[in-house]
Amino acid sequence: ETGVTQTPRHLVMGMTNKKSLKCEQHLGHNAMYWYKQSAKKPLELMFVYSLEERVENNSVPSRFSPECPNSSHLFLHLHTLQPEDSALYLCASSQVGVGNNEQFFGPGTRLTVL
Amino acid sequence: AQSVTQLGSHVSVSEGALVLLRCNYSSSVPPYLFWYVQYPNQGLQLLLKYTSAATLVKGINGFEAEFKKSETSFHLTKPSAHMSDAAEYFCAVKETSGTYKYIFGTGTRLKVLA
Repeated sequence: ETGVTQTPRHLVMGMTNKKSLKCEQHLGHNAMYWYKQSAKKPLELMFVYSLEERVENNSVPSRFSPECPNSSHLFLHLHTLQPEDSALYLCASSQVGVGNNEQFFGPGTRLTVL
Repeated sequence: AQSVTQLGSHVSVSEGALVLLRCNYSSSVPPYLFWYVQYPNQGLQLLLKYTSAATLVKGINGFEAEFKKSETSFHLTKPSAHMSDAAEYFCAVKETSGTYKYIFGTGTRLKVLA
């Protein structure tokens, strides 16, 4: 595997379910991100982990719970979601440090909440 | 705070015509600048990035962007549009080399007409 991978690619869940999204980066980066992309809305930064510490949490509802067990893996645990949480969830990674380092994105998980 | 403005949420061009997608940033200090492309149900892919080595930056798929400090702009161009260029394009900035935070524009959806 190369780059940033995300599983599953598609997920349909009921409002009472608990599920997790997984992201893995194979680039040796030290920062990982979760974004939410909804139709007709700007890309929303949800969480940032830098060196495995959560450094940003943009007022995301507690029904979303991130976990970063090591620098290569990032999870987003979901529980009791609402239909408005249906969106494309993108994971990204970058190398924070000297230089103009871009983010690398995974293919996303398309989440539908019924 | 840094911000990014992409003029035109939708742009249509004929196949073979010039593509021009506009991006303006707000900082008085030139930030790090990026253009990404997103195809349907996929993640964002880097097209090009400004590295300060040259004001005209060449990217993948025949795209290029010119950094103009006096206009605080970083517009994306391609001399001749191809049907496969139909996608959504995002401009992004990063304020300094040591930060983890990227600011994205709202995106421009490019439609290529046969």
